[in-house]
Amino acid sequence: DAKTTQPPSMDCAEGRAANLPCNHSTISGNEYVYWYRQIHSQGPQYIIHGLKNNETNEMASLIITEDRKSSTLILPHATLRDTAVYYCIVRVGNDMRFGAGTRLTVKP
Amino acid sequence: GAVVSQHPSRVICKSGTSVKIECRSLDFQATTMFWYRQFPKQSLMLMATSNEGSKATYEQGVEKDKFLINHASLTLSTLTVTSAHPEDSSFYICSASTGGGPSYEQYFGPGTRLTVT
Repeated sequence: DAKTTQPPSMDCAEGRAANLPCNHSTISGNEYVYWYRQIHSQGPQYIIHGLKNNETNEMASLIITEDRKSSTLILPHATLRDTAVYYCIVRVGNDMRFGAGTRLTVKP
Repeated sequence: GAVVSQHPSRVICKSGTSVKIECRSLDFQATTMFWYRQFPKQSLMLMATSNEGSKATYEQGVEKDKFLINHASLTLSTLTVTSAHPEDSSFYICSASTGGGPSYEQYFGPGTRLTVT
């Protein structure tokens, strides 16, 4: 599976949009981009995934660049409950492998 | 979304004993289940992948005789840590997938905190 690079930490003001970047420059044509988050001492929570088109659901939007070498997860109106570690994963096989992720802290 | 449960949520056991952790998919049939381990301030590490009715596939460095995985049905997988030692203390998380391939979502359980004394 392709490796991903994420900033180790980010801060965001409550009510503002949180934009979390992910680089996956070695992604291959059939690998999907997944985003999960993990709130302290809980199991990871699925957020969104995509192949090449931008995706949106009730939690977030996923913007994938045209060359698919990077993506951005957007939380449109961050709340304090969005404080978590966010993992960007690219995957072609059946298993999901986690990198270090980005620790997002939403501040009041 | 789909729900995956784990039992127990926390367990403390003495060194040298074995402990079993259950992972259940509550509202769907899981073709494949996965077991992860997470040490403090670290990311999740995939331990093994199991398909219903077949032997689990272990990641490199994970002892299959120490971490016994049984995937007896489409809704239940168990992880048994045999002869546990303090270094096995960790957060164990399972996940379940509804199908094969990368377009299928994985749903994660809430995790089991194991402490070996």
